[in-house]
Amino acid sequence: DGGITQSPKYLFRKEGQNVTLSCEQNLNHDAMYWYRQDPGQGLRLIYYSQIVNDFQKGDIAEGYSVSREKKESFPLTVTSAQKNPTAFYLCASSPPRGNEQFFGPGTRLTVL
Amino acid sequence: GQNIDQPTEMTATEGAIVQINCTYQTSGFNGLFWYQQHAGEAPTFLSYNVLDGLEEKGRFSSFLSRSKGYSYLLLKELQMKDSASYLCAVHNWDDYKLSFGAGTTVTVRA
Repeated sequence: DGGITQSPKYLFRKEGQNVTLSCEQNLNHDAMYWYRQDPGQGLRLIYYSQIVNDFQKGDIAEGYSVSREKKESFPLTVTSAQKNPTAFYLCASSPPRGNEQFFGPGTRLTVL
Repeated sequence: GQNIDQPTEMTATEGAIVQINCTYQTSGFNGLFWYQQHAGEAPTFLSYNVLDGLEEKGRFSSFLSRSKGYSYLLLKELQMKDSASYLCAVHNWDDYKLSFGAGTTVTVRA
C-alpha cells in the first residue's frame, strides 16, 4: 500500500539531547513537509522540501534541521536549541505542483 | 502573511447540522482545504475549493467565496464519529504551502 510512515509513534528524550524523527513515503511525491501541532493550535510549518537536495525554512524553523537526500525520506532533527520541543509532529507529502497534502500518522515527542 | 480564523469549539446533537466558518486574509490565494482530525491522529482530506460556490460530498459540503475571503464546512446528519477537529487551510499559489487555522473542535452529543 502507498502511504507515509512516521516512526516511532511516541518518543521520549531527555532535555539537551538531539532527536531525529523519521518520515518515509512511497507515493512518489516530490514535495514533503514537517509540521508541529500544539494543543489548541493549528499546524505550524517547520520545514518543507519541493525536490531532492533542496529544502526551505517554514514559519518556525529555529531549533530544527532537515535533510532530503532521497525522494522517499525527509528526516527531522529536533536539536537541543529548540526551547520547547514537546509536541505532536506531522509529516506530509504532496504531488508535483501539489494540491492535497497527505499526512503521516504523527510522532508525539515528549522531552523530560 | 496569513490570517485564518475559525471558531474554537462547536457542539451539536446527533442527527443535526453544523456549519463551521473560516475567514482568511492572504496574498496569493489558490484554494482552500478542509481536513478532519481525530484526537492524536493525522488530518484526513475532506474537500478542496478553488472556485466560488458549493461542493457537496455526501454528508459534507464546503462553500467558498473568494471575494469575501470566506468558506464554510457543512456537516449534515451528524454522527458520533464526526466528533473531531476540523482544520481550514489556505493554499498559496506562489509557494504551494498550506497555512492552517487553529481548528474547530466539534463535539456531537447523543
